[in-house]
Amino acid sequence: SQQGEEDPQALSIQEGENATMNCSYKTSINNLQWYRQNSGRGLVHLILIRSNEREKHSGRLRVTLDTSKKSSSLLITASRAADTASYFCATDARGFQKLVFGTGTRLLVSP
Amino acid sequence: DGGITQSPKYLFRKEGQNVTLSCEQNLNHDAMYWYRQDPGQGLRLIYYSQIVNDFQKGDIAEGYSVSREKKESFPLTVTSAQKNPTAFYLCASSIQGQLNQPQHFGDGTRLSIL
Repeated sequence: SQQGEEDPQALSIQEGENATMNCSYKTSINNLQWYRQNSGRGLVHLILIRSNEREKHSGRLRVTLDTSKKSSSLLITASRAADTASYFCATDARGFQKLVFGTGTRLLVSP
Repeated sequence: DGGITQSPKYLFRKEGQNVTLSCEQNLNHDAMYWYRQDPGQGLRLIYYSQIVNDFQKGDIAEGYSVSREKKESFPLTVTSAQKNPTAFYLCASSIQGQLNQPQHFGDGTRLSIL
């Protein structure tokens, strides 16, 4: 099964609200990445957090990592309609020579 | 602008036909990847290449083939042996194939069966 699983599967909010999505994984990792995918397009890299980091910020994005719980969260503050997309976490599970992507969270931000 | 170009955007395959998806990058990246994305699922790795003239199978390589004759190009052939090829195919690249590096994606090719 997938190394990463996002929760919720879908999220609908109003512009200006915050959006939080979560990623859980099963085995130890070195790094965790978050990507965004607009409908019918490729993935765009958002942020990478290393296993020895607990929190990282990039503009309106805040990512946390809790290695004891094997989970990460992505917070988008003050959301905009343009944030409407699917968001995926990807992990580099130790012992694997590849990134493993979760199933994604579909975010809809309504004006 | 540097990036990854996938073509065509839409592709239709007839029964028994092989089709080739193009992926070209001008980012000077060593590593390139092919993923398959089905509705409601994450990306699954088909093949990857960390250097010219070398490539490895991913999780779902059966029914697919690749070549890496040039650094810039990593075409994927979907053969007639792939019985369920309808999917969205994404090509990606990274600087050196290290897993602590971001991957850059093209805009995909959507393959359907006629």
